[in-house]
Amino acid sequence: GQNIDQPTEMTATEGAIVQINCTYQTSGFNGLFWYQQHAGEAPTFLSYNVLDGLEEKGRFSSFLSRSKGYSYLLLKELQMKDSASYLCAVRRPSYSGAGSYQLTFGKGTKLSVIP
Amino acid sequence: SAVISQKPSRDICQRGTSLTIQCQVDSQVTMMFWYRQQPGQSLTLIATANQGSEATYESGFVIDKFPISRPNLTFSTLTVSNMSPEDSSIYLCSVDMSTGNYGYTFGSGTRLTVV
Repeated sequence: GQNIDQPTEMTATEGAIVQINCTYQTSGFNGLFWYQQHAGEAPTFLSYNVLDGLEEKGRFSSFLSRSKGYSYLLLKELQMKDSASYLCAVRRPSYSGAGSYQLTFGKGTKLSVIP
Repeated sequence: SAVISQKPSRDICQRGTSLTIQCQVDSQVTMMFWYRQQPGQSLTLIATANQGSEATYESGFVIDKFPISRPNLTFSTLTVSNMSPEDSSIYLCSVDMSTGNYGYTFGSGTRLTVV
């Protein structure tokens, strides 16, 4: 089966740094995505890692270790608007057709940013 | 990345009835995905829809309950049939703009309440 684990909830202070971890065990791997989802809205793309290492994009960075089945999302200089759910998702081969892929999501981490 | 128009945005339906959700993409895409997000949960893949072939359903989802159409490369529908209160969820369509960094784009979602 597919297993993607991330903490259910986290709380951090405005201006601080927070790291959200994700571990995965999936049948096949073709990249890991992080999405942000505000309540009542659709997920929006944050980052994509397919090779080991750190990808930095403004206040957000994402790290991947394929050998450890591990990723984290790092949010710096937290703002109140960063309060949202953060979803870790693994892209893996789909049986829908040759060369096709699908996303499997973790349960999401609800981040609350407090003043 | 693609822009997806999904409708209806929300609906309240009587049990035993059916609702068809539509997704229109502003560019041609090979694969479209339908997800369900139950209250407080992450996204679960229902099925993958390829143009010109039958949809591929994930474990726990069947065509009789969730028939899908994919008449062309820019459009798909998902029908939730013979609804019960347990079908109350957010339903989202998604496309894979898979050039890696663009990630998967989601429609705005359909919030369904079955009474």
